[in-house]
Amino acid sequence: GAGVSQSPRYKVAKRGQDVALRCDPISGHVSLFWYQQALGQGPEFLTYFQNEAQLDKSGLPSDRFFAERPEGSVSTLKIQRTQQEDSAVYLCASSPGGPTTDTQYFGPGTRLTVL
Amino acid sequence: GQNIDQPTEMTATEGAIVQINCTYQTSGFNGLFWYQQHAGEAPTFLSYNVLDGLEEKGRFSSFLSRSKGYSYLLLKELQMKDSASYLCAVLMNTGFQKLVFGTGTRLLVSP
Repeated sequence: GAGVSQSPRYKVAKRGQDVALRCDPISGHVSLFWYQQALGQGPEFLTYFQNEAQLDKSGLPSDRFFAERPEGSVSTLKIQRTQQEDSAVYLCASSPGGPTTDTQYFGPGTRLTVL
Repeated sequence: GQNIDQPTEMTATEGAIVQINCTYQTSGFNGLFWYQQHAGEAPTFLSYNVLDGLEEKGRFSSFLSRSKGYSYLLLKELQMKDSASYLCAVLMNTGFQKLVFGTGTRLLVSP
C-alpha cells in the first residue's frame, strides 16, 4: 500500500497567518508522530498519538502549536500566528504498534516558509 | 538533557568503505536507529540495534556498544546514490517510541 503522505508539500505563509498541515499515515498504523526539522539539523520530536489519543505533546514549542487526530487516522498540525522561527520542514511518521520498538515510517514532509 | 553527536560532513570515493560514528549520552536507552535521508525526502529506515555487536545487512552494517554509548554505521562498496544525510537516533524508554535524533552526517560520494 501507499506510504505516509503529507500535504501540502510546500507552504509559504506571511508572519501572523495560521497554517494547517495534514498527515495521512499508513493505513492501520496505531502510532503517529510529528517532528520539526530545521535546515541542516535532525528531526526534533513534537508530539505523539496512539490512535486518537495524544499521549505526549512535550515537544510542541509553544501554545501556538496544536495537533489533532480525531478519528485515529489522519492528523493535522496547526500553527497559529506563524513566526519566522517556525520555518522548517514538518515531518510526520507512523508505526504499526503502540508502545513497542516498531520502526517509524516517515512522510516526505511539509516545508513551511514564514515570510 | 540528551546529547547525540555525529560528524557534520564526510566525503568518500565511489567503491570505498566509510564509517559514520555516533556517540550518545541520554537519560534513557531502548535501542538505536540509523536512517538515511536524501535531500528533500523522507528519512528511510536502515538499521536498529538494541544489543551490543554488529548487525550486517547487505552493504550496510551497524554496530553498537551500550557501555561506551557508541554506534557506527559502515557503508561498503560506496555508490553515488549513497550521497545523503545519515541520521543516528536513540529510542528512549518513555513507554512509547520517542526518538531523539542527532544532527545528521552529510555524506558526499565522489567518482
